[in-house]
Amino acid sequence: DAGVTQSPTHLIKTRGQQVTLRCSPKSGHDTVSWYQQALGQGPQFIFQYYEEEERQRGNFPDRFSGHQFPNYSSELNVNALLLGDSALYLCASSRRALYGYTFGSGTRLTVV
Amino acid sequence: AQTVTQSQPEMSVQEAETVTLSCTYDTSESDYYLFWYKQPPSRQMILVIRQEAYKQQNATENRFSVNFQKAAKSFSLKISDSQLGDAAMYFCAYRSANPGTASKLTFGTGTRLQVTL
Repeated sequence: DAGVTQSPTHLIKTRGQQVTLRCSPKSGHDTVSWYQQALGQGPQFIFQYYEEEERQRGNFPDRFSGHQFPNYSSELNVNALLLGDSALYLCASSRRALYGYTFGSGTRLTVV
Repeated sequence: AQTVTQSQPEMSVQEAETVTLSCTYDTSESDYYLFWYKQPPSRQMILVIRQEAYKQQNATENRFSVNFQKAAKSFSLKISDSQLGDAAMYFCAYRSANPGTASKLTFGTGTRLQVTL
């Protein structure tokens, strides 16, 4: 049973560029949440997708956007990258929003 | 807004000994869930243990147990018979049980646990 799969594992981008990160949820899960984890910090909630709609959003600017596809996979897009966007981006999936979350191993984004 | 505080940036324990990691939280809700997650160098967050706030009994999973003090808003993790594989970052997390509001996880800043021989 595949867990949560994230791609790519590592990424280096230049300031001002745009990036797309991808997440495939665990089999049987329909809800995807994204978190940003800066170095030495705990993860911060970005947003959550369920039934292809953004259901909740954390305190992140509009440069952060997402999408959920009919197969429940999800993308996180970040526009106009800043140095401060350098972080580990974690995807977590669950069945509905009320059950336990399974996390992926994350995408390490470095903005130079 | 809920907050989670972990006041121990680093802890060290000898193999086979017991260690306790501390966590406090702040919330105005009465029904919620608390979690301890382990994050090894592989980066994946792994659920260690979960506690429902309405349950008075402390959760236990093999060598891992919690001391949940609802009135004090305290949720500590005890690791017994520590093993080298327990070395990792440990995060305490909170989640509301209200389906109409946030189901996001709110994390603390983490405690790095070192296990020595």
